[in-house]
Amino acid sequence: SAVISQKPSRDICQRGTSLTIQCQVDSQVTMMFWYRQQPGQSLTLIATANQGSEATYESGFVIDKFPISRPNLTFSTLTVSNMSPEDSSIYLCSVDRTGDTDTQYFGPGTRLTVL
Amino acid sequence: KQEVTQIPAALSVPEGENLVLNCSFTDSAIYNLQWFRQDPGKGLTSLLLIQSSQREQTSGRLNASLDKSSGRSTLYIAASQPGDSATYLCAASDRGSTLGRLYFGRGTQLTVWP
Repeated sequence: SAVISQKPSRDICQRGTSLTIQCQVDSQVTMMFWYRQQPGQSLTLIATANQGSEATYESGFVIDKFPISRPNLTFSTLTVSNMSPEDSSIYLCSVDRTGDTDTQYFGPGTRLTVL
Repeated sequence: KQEVTQIPAALSVPEGENLVLNCSFTDSAIYNLQWFRQDPGKGLTSLLLIQSSQREQTSGRLNASLDKSSGRSTLYIAASQPGDSATYLCAASDRGSTLGRLYFGRGTQLTVWP
């Protein structure tokens, strides 16, 4: 299994500001993922972060709005830039443990409210 | 693009009932299908994972089935308990160009009352 922590757990931010969310894993992993869950909606993949390379963004998400860093095999950050109320969501990071289980493990999430 | 639908959106049952949660997906070319439980402030917990070559998986009171040809999966919960109250999400995995990309349904919010 994998233990994942996220900081902050929640935040309330003003329109136009930026917030950086941290994700820490207790073991080295190749792939880390960032998801967004808007109120009443399903989880949507924002981007995939592979250590040592640029993050790969899904359709509808751009690097200028959601810059991602992946400095090593246990850590990643997601920044939500120039926030608007539409960015109010839960942001979750996850890791993929391929092999015997292929299970994907998720962090506890960061609940963001933009006023 | 894969689309995942879950029915019902919400379910409220008395303790002890057996219940079935439904999940359907549009593209049968999945790598695996996972059922997750989501509790407020605790993220997602993986409950069961069914590989595309499998028909079902069981863990305790939970049983998940997979029918790729019809694009359906069900999660069966036996003898429900108040502690089962949570949102249950199903997710189809497409290993295509992105290892481990998951397509999620909106979830079924389950309430089990004593």
